Amino acid sequence: DTEVTQTPKHLVMGMTNKKSLKCEQHMGHRAMYWYKQKAKKPPELMFVYSYEKLSINESVPSRFSPECPNSSLLNLHLHALQPEDSALYLCASSQPLAKNIQYFGAGTRLSVL
Amino acid sequence: QQPVQSPQAVILREGEDAVINCSSSKALYSVHWYRQKHGEAPVFLMILLKGGEQKGHDKISASFNEKKQQSSLYLTASQLSYSGTYFCGTDLRSGAGSYQLTFGKGTKLSVIP
Repeated sequence: DTEVTQTPKHLVMGMTNKKSLKCEQHMGHRAMYWYKQKAKKPPELMFVYSYEKLSINESVPSRFSPECPNSSLLNLHLHALQPEDSALYLCASSQPLAKNIQYFGAGTRLSVL
Repeated sequence: QQPVQSPQAVILREGEDAVINCSSSKALYSVHWYRQKHGEAPVFLMILLKGGEQKGHDKISASFNEKKQQSSLYLTASQLSYSGTYFCGTDLRSGAGSYQLTFGKGTKLSVIP
């Protein structure tokens, strides 16, 4: 089983809203990732959690706040987003001490109005 | 450092072959290949570890030239289902806790009947 589950699949929010994206995996992976993908562009790394600790933050604005409650769950809290934040948000997981193959969830399509 | 992929786009008729290249200016630990169909998540195809190996999966294979820091993806006897955008992801494994992949800009492959 190589399933990474993301919810919701679609999200529309206003610039003053607070919402959260959720990601879950049960493969025993100890690294989890958030990516942002704009149309016709590659996935762009936002955050990496390794063994439940934030190891990489790619200079992401503070209106995005990641959280890793346990080794299976990853959240992305959104607050006061801008229209340019509209994108596909992908979660991935991997086993870092092995080949580090990343398995992606289906993504959340976010629209900020 | 983002790897360079070529070509940017290619159109094939069913049954034709294609090669997609991915090159890096940095020493690579591994190269990962993904395919992403429109509106879907990237799907892992294969991984090439340093050592110059070649791997295959059905009619899709890949090689890794460690001297040139270059990987090539070979698609033979293409099928309609091969259509999508192909991304290479490079793992530099530059330090402890560094498990990130950096994706190339992608190659859009269209297979027509």
